[in-house]
Amino acid sequence: AQKITQTQPGMFVQEKEAVTLDCTYDTSDPSYGLFWYKQPSSGEMIFLIYQGSYDQQNATEGRYSLNFQKARKSANLVISASQLGDSAMYFCAMRDGSSSNTGKLIFGQGTTLQVKP
Amino acid sequence: GAVVSQHPSWVICKSGTSVKIECRSLDFQATTMFWYRQFPKQSLMLMATSNEGSKATYEQGVEKDKFLINHASLTLSTLTVTSAHPEDSSFYICSASRGHYNSPLHFGNGTRLTVT
Repeated sequence: AQKITQTQPGMFVQEKEAVTLDCTYDTSDPSYGLFWYKQPSSGEMIFLIYQGSYDQQNATEGRYSLNFQKARKSANLVISASQLGDSAMYFCAMRDGSSSNTGKLIFGQGTTLQVKP
Repeated sequence: GAVVSQHPSWVICKSGTSVKIECRSLDFQATTMFWYRQFPKQSLMLMATSNEGSKATYEQGVEKDKFLINHASLTLSTLTVTSAHPEDSSFYICSASRGHYNSPLHFGNGTRLTVT
C-alpha cells in the first residue's frame, strides 16, 4: 500500500534563508511519481515540483529543488532564498503505476511553513 | 491559466438539502477525475475516483449514497452531497490529470461547503 509521511507539522524560516521540508514514502510499485504542492490560505493547490522514480538526477524548479534519496525512500523539498509569500501549507504526494491504482494521488499530512521577516 | 475549473467556490445550504459541485477540465479530456475532502489544517483525503462512463470508485469509509458522483463527459464530473448535515461542512476539491503516474494532478480552486 502507498504511504506518504511528513513529520514536521510546522516550520519557521527566516526570510532569505533556505529551508528543507521532509517527506518519506512507501510503495511496492517500482514506477511512481513524487510531487510537492503548495496550499496558501486561499485553498488552491499549486503544483511545485515532480520527481520520477527512474529519474537519475534531483528535480529543480527555480527556487525549489527535490532531494531524492531512493534507497531511503525520501523526497525532501528544499526552498532556497525564502520569501514572505512562501508562507503556506506544503504537501508531499505520490502516484504509483500499479494497474489497480488508477493513478490516484496520495498526500502526506502537510507542513505549515511560516517565513519570518 | 487554470486547467481545472470548479464551481461554486463556496456554498451555504440548510441541513437536509442537496448540493451539487461541478468540476471541469478546460483544455484536455479527463477520463478520470478525483474528488478530495479537506478539513481545516488537515491533509487532503481522497473520497472517490470518478470514471467517465462508469461508476465511481469510492474510498473505504465514504458513503456512496451520500456523495453521488457523475462523470457524464470527458470534461465534466459532478459531486452531489445529498441530505447534507453540518458534519458535511468541509472543503471539497476536485482534480484531473493529463497522464498517469508521472503527471501531476491539476486541481480546481475548491468549494467551501457550510451546512447550517
